[in-house]
Amino acid sequence: QKEVEQNSGPLSVPEGAIASLNCTYSDRGSQSFFWYRQYSGKSPELIMSIYSNGDKEDGRFTAQLNKASQYVSLLIRDSQPSDSATYLCAVTGSSASKIIFGSGTRLSIRP
Amino acid sequence: GAVVSQHPSRVICKSGTSVKIECRSLDFQATTMFWYRQFPKKSLMLMATSNEGSKATYEQGVEKDKFLINHASLTLSTLTVTSAHPEDSSFYICSARPTRGISEAFFGQGTRLTVV
Repeated sequence: QKEVEQNSGPLSVPEGAIASLNCTYSDRGSQSFFWYRQYSGKSPELIMSIYSNGDKEDGRFTAQLNKASQYVSLLIRDSQPSDSATYLCAVTGSSASKIIFGSGTRLSIRP
Repeated sequence: GAVVSQHPSRVICKSGTSVKIECRSLDFQATTMFWYRQFPKKSLMLMATSNEGSKATYEQGVEKDKFLINHASLTLSTLTVTSAHPEDSSFYICSARPTRGISEAFFGQGTRLTVV
């Protein structure tokens, strides 16, 4: 079982709709959870971080964490073509010494 | 804040030569820096974790003698690809975590290495 799992996609969403990206992790002791966005040929950029159960909102982005289910998600409201990218879920292990990335979900926003 | 600068952004070298890539945290101190490589349309693969003042911790399957990592200060880590071969051609990305407080890692711009 991979430590951090994501559906590779591509996930196609119409412009203006809500895009929902999901991630599960295997280490129950994980403490910190992140979503990064990566455009083709570029390095990842941090979008959201979340540390406790529940929702965290930042503009059009909402991160959701459920530690009991070992599940973290990212919602993007009012999707724009510029949101088309690969979204990486990342988790720190229980030792917090390194950040483990999922393989990413490719999101495509169609006009 | 939290800017990580990676240099060079692109390098082409001849097979058998060595290439050094620098990673600097510009506005924070980073006890820990991470080095990744990424093949086209593939995920980030962690190569090693670099701790200031101590030896790097390499992931399984990564040759420490081929990928030399030095983390001499709280703001600088270097990756040297020694005796590069065409199969080393890849996108190399560093990231750095601030020493205190924040646990996120911030990424450099990446280095596209092509070995010919």
